[in-house]
Order: sequence, then structure tokens, then C-alpha cells
Amino acid sequence: EVQLVESGGGLLQPGGSLRLSCVASGFTLSSSAMRWVRLAPGKGLEWVSSISSSGATTYYADSVKGRFTISRDSSKNTLYLQMNNLRVEDTALYYCAKGVNYHFDYWGQGTLVTVSS
Amino acid sequence: QSALTQPRSVSGSPGQSVTISCTGTSSDVGGYNYVSWYQHHPGKAPKLIIYDVFKRPSGVPDRFSGSKSGNTASLTISGLQAEDESDYYCCSYAGSYTDWAFGGGTKLTVL
Repeated sequence: EVQLVESGGGLLQPGGSLRLSCVASGFTLSSSAMRWVRLAPGKGLEWVSSISSSGATTYYADSVKGRFTISRDSSKNTLYLQMNNLRVEDTALYYCAKGVNYHFDYWGQGTLVTVSS
Repeated sequence: QSALTQPRSVSGSPGQSVTISCTGTSSDVGGYNYVSWYQHHPGKAPKLIIYDVFKRPSGVPDRFSGSKSGNTASLTISGLQAEDESDYYCCSYAGSYTDWAFGGGTKLTVL
């Protein structure tokens, strides 16, 4: 059974940094593209970042480019999102999702990031 | 403001059918047959219910169906059941493999 479990969220001030983790089970990360998606209060879902199945290519939404970094540790079957220079508008529930072709077939339950002064 | 436009809410009685629309542009919904739909009960993981416009993953009841016309995709839920009450999000590939457009979500209430 495929499972994704996120952790690492928290409350922090603007300009701060945080690293989110997503532990995968039931499949190997190196076999799939992986993605981060966020849900901000009162808004819809927003794709944040992706990493290819090979791990060689990463992609970012314009809103986070230069501040966020996606990576993975195959030995731990874990996906990461390093978030730097956080802004109030980054406040959201962050989900990791397994990618297949042009959709997202499994999601985690999310981890909450709150950026507030 | 979300890239794709969905109604904020829809409702229906048990046994009835409801349709949720998802309107984009020729750069996303209208340009590719890669629309997917997700059911999201708050506090739980979103669940894929439709992909590639009309395909259903294994285990999703055939009460859920998808279609597309021009720049608008639709999700139809027939034979409404109480457990269908949830938030529903549409998503479309938008062309560069770095671009995924999501809708703002629709809250379905089963009366």
C-alpha cells in the first residue's frame, strides 16, 4: 500500500527557513516523479515543485523559485522541501504527492506551515 | 486567484446527480486531455478520482465521470451518497511539465 507521510511544518517569522520531509512507503521514490502542492487558507491548490524520477531534474513554481529546493534521499525513501526566506503568503498546508504521467495518484495528509510576525 | 475556475459550492439530494465545472483556457484545459479531479475531505489526503479527462482509477465507483468541452472540464457525480460530501479540485497540465493549473475547489453538500 502506498503511503506518504509529511512532517516538519511549524510556526515561524518571515525570513525564516524550514525543511519539510515526506516519507514514502509501498514504492521507491526513484521509480516516480514526486511533487509538492500547497493549499493556502481560503485559496485553491497550488503546485509548488517537482522532481523527476531520476532525480536529475527539478522544477519550481515562479512564486517559490530561488527560495525553495526540492530533493530526495533514496536510502531513506524520503522527499524534502527546503524553504528559505519564507513569506507570509507561503502560509499553507503542504502536501507531497506521487506523480504519474500528467496527474497525482497518491497524496499525503499534509503538514502545516504558518509564517507570521 | 486560482488558474482554473470552479463554482465555490454545489449541492444535491441523495440519489440525484450533480456536475462541477472547471473552466480554464486553451493553454491548459483546452489544450491537453490531461484534466484530473481530486476528492478532498479536510484533514485527510486528497484522493485521485478522475484522470486524463474521463479515466477512473481502480476502486473509484463508476458514479464518478469526467468530460471536457473546449476550455471547460466537468465532473459528474450520479446517485449521490452522503459520503460524497467533500471538496473537489480540478487540475490540468499546462504545457511545460513545470506547469500544473489547479482550480479553487468546490464544496459539495449532500442535502
